[in-house]
Amino acid sequence: DAGVIQSPRHEVTEMGQEVTLRCKPISGHNSLFWYRQTMMRGLELLIYFNNNVPIDDSGMPEDRFSAKMPNASFSTLKIQPSEPRDSAVYFCASRGGRYNEQFFGPGTRLTVL
Amino acid sequence: AQSVTQPDIHITVSEGASLELRCNYSYGATPYLFWYVQSPGQGLQLLLKYFSGDTLVQGIKGFEAEFKRSQSSFNLRKPSVHWSDAAEYFCAVTLVFGTGTRLLVSP
Repeated sequence: DAGVIQSPRHEVTEMGQEVTLRCKPISGHNSLFWYRQTMMRGLELLIYFNNNVPIDDSGMPEDRFSAKMPNASFSTLKIQPSEPRDSAVYFCASRGGRYNEQFFGPGTRLTVL
Repeated sequence: AQSVTQPDIHITVSEGASLELRCNYSYGATPYLFWYVQSPGQGLQLLLKYFSGDTLVQGIKGFEAEFKRSQSSFNLRKPSVHWSDAAEYFCAVTLVFGTGTRLLVSP
């Protein structure tokens, strides 16, 4: 298995633009998580899904952020409009398998100018 | 509310020396506890986890951790550190992560 796949790996955009981050979880995993990592705030859980259903989105910072999981093999995190303070590394993780372990993707480094 | 505290932001250890990274948590029920390692530019990799049972947990890369309920701690240990262990280490309780401890290994 290729592990959790995230795209793009790097994204540079201008303030006000829409940003879409993509994630493909490990096949067979039934939980998917979106995290944001910054120097100031560390690693924060934004939202997670169980069986494609959002369970807890209390970590989503504001209405500019939205996440979807239309099927078991794909999820998106969208920021519209983006702001410089959204600059961070965004990680997707999926959980499942025999030991219900959580596996992280390589992350998307977002820079909003 | 759940919280995780890693009191050491940076730790420097000589290669071959032993290592202990501290983690304290606050959680209302029996916690699920994890240690992850993150190398620069990489995602997080699970080192070990505790759900129940034996309080001394063995993980990958020679790491172990001990759950002490009375101290609300889950410290990570390794008897002999290798230069390749230099990375950032995160303790987590369920889905809440600590702020991380950066491990530097000196020759």
